[in-house]
Amino acid sequence: KAGVTQTPRYLIKTRGQQVTLSCSPISGHRSVSWYQQTPGQGLQFLFEYFSETQRNKGNFPGRFSGRQFSNSRSEMNVSTLELGDSALYLCASSLVRTGSYEQYFGPGTRLTVT
Amino acid sequence: AQRVTQPEKLLSVFKGAPVELKCNYSYSGSPELFWYVQYSRQRLQLLLRHISRESIKGFTADLNKGETSFHLKKPFAQEEDSAMYYCALYTNTGNQFYFGTGTSLTVIP
Repeated sequence: KAGVTQTPRYLIKTRGQQVTLSCSPISGHRSVSWYQQTPGQGLQFLFEYFSETQRNKGNFPGRFSGRQFSNSRSEMNVSTLELGDSALYLCASSLVRTGSYEQYFGPGTRLTVT
Repeated sequence: AQRVTQPEKLLSVFKGAPVELKCNYSYSGSPELFWYVQYSRQRLQLLLRHISRESIKGFTADLNKGETSFHLKKPFAQEEDSAMYYCALYTNTGNQFYFGTGTSLTVIP
């Protein structure tokens, strides 16, 4: 099976702009989670989508939003970018079935805000 | 509330020495626990999960419900074990994953 893919892999934006990141989960996985990874904070949970519904949300401002499509692909949007948004954004998919909750991660999108 | 605690941010051991990466969790229900590893320039990947009680790359982890711990152990560290390790808890009451802050392991040749 193909793994989780994320596009683009690298992105450079300026403050105030907005950005959309895309994630394609493993085939058959209906849960997609997004994380922000920085050297100082580690992995921080953004949100999780399951069957096109946001099921969980982390402690991030409303500038961070997402959605999931009927084919389970997910997008994450960050509006009014700030310098502090520079990070590696990881997407993870999961089967979410009894005995099979583990998440599988994509390679990430490296966002640099200048 | 912090669900997963990894007290060591950095850990260095010599090659051939035993290594233990600590993980404590807080959850009143029945936990699903995992260890993830991120090697340099590679994606975060699942190392092992407590439910399968397996040994991967020589690593094992035992769930201790009394101490609410899930420490990762390896009897003889190898240089290729140098990586970032994350402990993770899945709660099926909230359908959410909680990751620890990670431990960076360096194995000194």
